[in-house]
Amino acid sequence: GAGVSQSPSNKVTEKGKDVELRCDPISGHTALYWYRQSLGQGLEFLIYFQGNSAPDKSGLPSDRFSAERTGGSVSTLTIQRTQQEDSAVYLCASRRGGSGNTIYFGEGSWLTVV
Amino acid sequence: GIQVEQSPPDLILQEGANSTLRCNFSDSVNNLQWFHQNPWGQLINLFYIPSGTKQNGRLSATTVATERYSLLYISSSQTTDSGVYFCAVEGAIQGAQKLVFGQGTRLTINP
Repeated sequence: GAGVSQSPSNKVTEKGKDVELRCDPISGHTALYWYRQSLGQGLEFLIYFQGNSAPDKSGLPSDRFSAERTGGSVSTLTIQRTQQEDSAVYLCASRRGGSGNTIYFGEGSWLTVV
Repeated sequence: GIQVEQSPPDLILQEGANSTLRCNFSDSVNNLQWFHQNPWGQLINLFYIPSGTKQNGRLSATTVATERYSLLYISSSQTTDSGVYFCAVEGAIQGAQKLVFGQGTRLTINP
């Protein structure tokens, strides 16, 4: 596609429920990132996928968070047993190749846990 | 890991004024990008500039990699320039591979 596509754009869920957020990167981009941005804050790195390499999961805040990338393209970020502090915008990004190339962001998925 | 500091944290200007935003980073970088986050939360790429100078209309950016800083210049500011400007860097350490963001500069342009 023309850009990084994320869905849903908005999600309201009850505390304790599981949620799945989807990211479709730019066609041909091998690297995919998830970031989180809480209200009024900067961007917090969550996880990074590059081709067939093992993902860098160093930013995942707890074991309730997981992500997978199927076929080197679409990625799903799953949050289990959501808590109110999980409320944030979840941003996906992708780029062609490795270090030194421009990274492009999607429009984000706004998650509100009530 | 690499540290990124942006200044000032907030900047309020009148339409037509010029502004300079600064980004300091703590280590060598392979990648440095400037983004504008609009009021709807979307991150818009402004510049990919690990070194050197680039210009795009009223915006320009300079990165002095040896001194570990980058500057974003906005000339003749317009109200649509309002928003948060982020600097993000990717360290040159092998395996870094991820953008580390500063806390941003919130720019408000008043009519």
